[in-house]
Amino acid sequence: GQQVMQIPQYQHVQEGEDFTTYCNSSTTLSNIQWYKQRPGGHPVFLIQLVKSGEVKKQKRLTFQFGEAKKNSSLHITATQTTDVGTYFCAGGGTGNQFYFGTGTSLTVIP
Amino acid sequence: GAVVSQHPSWVICKSGTSVKIECRSLDFQATTMFWYRQFPKQSLMLMATSNEGSKATYEQGVEKDKFLINHASLTLSTLTVTSAHPEDSSFYICSAIMAAPGPQHFGDGTRLSIL
Repeated sequence: GQQVMQIPQYQHVQEGEDFTTYCNSSTTLSNIQWYKQRPGGHPVFLIQLVKSGEVKKQKRLTFQFGEAKKNSSLHITATQTTDVGTYFCAGGGTGNQFYFGTGTSLTVIP
Repeated sequence: GAVVSQHPSWVICKSGTSVKIECRSLDFQATTMFWYRQFPKQSLMLMATSNEGSKATYEQGVEKDKFLINHASLTLSTLTVTSAHPEDSSFYICSAIMAAPGPQHFGDGTRLSIL
């Protein structure tokens, strides 16, 4: 099946530092979504990217979709303790389905 | 808006029992619902894609006779784990979308424990 890998698996940062997670697919994606999951919670939708090379910003979060539509990144500027959680990318397949990446668990040290 | 309710939250039952999990979109009509399985501290593994009124599309390696999915209406999909065994113990979570491609709205998940 489709494989979507994310690196790093874990990231510990000091509050105020930047954070980036990278998502790579073995196949070309139709689109990509990003989710945040807090411990004990369900994934919450952050954003969807559709176009090749697309860049979107949400306050301190910047999302990028690669030119080949096989990779994506999420960058958080000046992390805060509220950013703690696991960030997943989800790559769109040929149908309506999405394949979740392996996730990056972010810990922010106050 | 866009609330998805999943029931039950917890199930503990004996081996050999069949368990039904419901996923409801409360304030929107869901063209498609997805069923995932999530192991502790791991990613969500897509099990099947469910469209209202048609047969579910199962991912490779997922037994369709084991995991029965019914999408009877635009607001309800059910997953039945038939003759459950301890290896079926896991966290099952559903999501629903209004239109494809679009944001997935997740239920709170069901913790299934088979003794």
